[in-house]
Amino acid sequence: EPEVTQTPSHQVTQMGQEVILRCVPISNHLYFYWYRQILGQKVEFLVSFYNNEISEKSEIFDDQFSVERPDGSNFTLKIRSTKLEDSAMYFCASSFYSYNEQFFGPGTRLTVL
Amino acid sequence: SQQGEEDPQALSIQEGENATMNCSYKTSINNLQWYRQNSGRGLVHLILIRSNEREKHSGRLRVTLDTSKKSSSLLITASRAADTASYFCATERDTGRRALTFGSGTRLQVQP
Repeated sequence: EPEVTQTPSHQVTQMGQEVILRCVPISNHLYFYWYRQILGQKVEFLVSFYNNEISEKSEIFDDQFSVERPDGSNFTLKIRSTKLEDSAMYFCASSFYSYNEQFFGPGTRLTVL
Repeated sequence: SQQGEEDPQALSIQEGENATMNCSYKTSINNLQWYRQNSGRGLVHLILIRSNEREKHSGRLRVTLDTSKKSSSLLITASRAADTASYFCATERDTGRRALTFGSGTRLQVQP
């Protein structure tokens, strides 16, 4: 069964460093998303991406964040200068179309020291 | 309550019993989705119910949606120890936004 994959599973970085989180969405899906979950808190939406551009973003997704689909399979989230409060589990998701099921990857646990 | 709030927050039952979790939300929605999350792991999609549907089944799962009350319930029948996890509802609003708004979840413990 097709699934969303994410790498790495765990990333440790120093405050101020740039990180890139990688995702491979399900191959025939058209919509891609990033969410995050701070330990003990709700899953929060960050951004959605369709047709090679951001279609929607939350207040969390400020200028420190960017997304890219560098090729036909990968979808990346970059955090330019990490802060302690960026420590969270980051989930990538994809859906075939809008208003369809969103399938999530296993997540990348980001720890900022 | 906030968009997508589940109750109870925690539920402990014996294997073989049924587990019912509820979700309430505030705004009009296009669909509501239920997810399972094992501790520290990813979100597994369970079922999606659209705003024009009232009930949906998938295996041992039964989901209901009452748009007039802005609420949904997830019933797991004949629970198993492997069903132990957190369960979240997530709503997709009907405003054209595709972002899912998640609740705080119900932690289900199934005792063998």
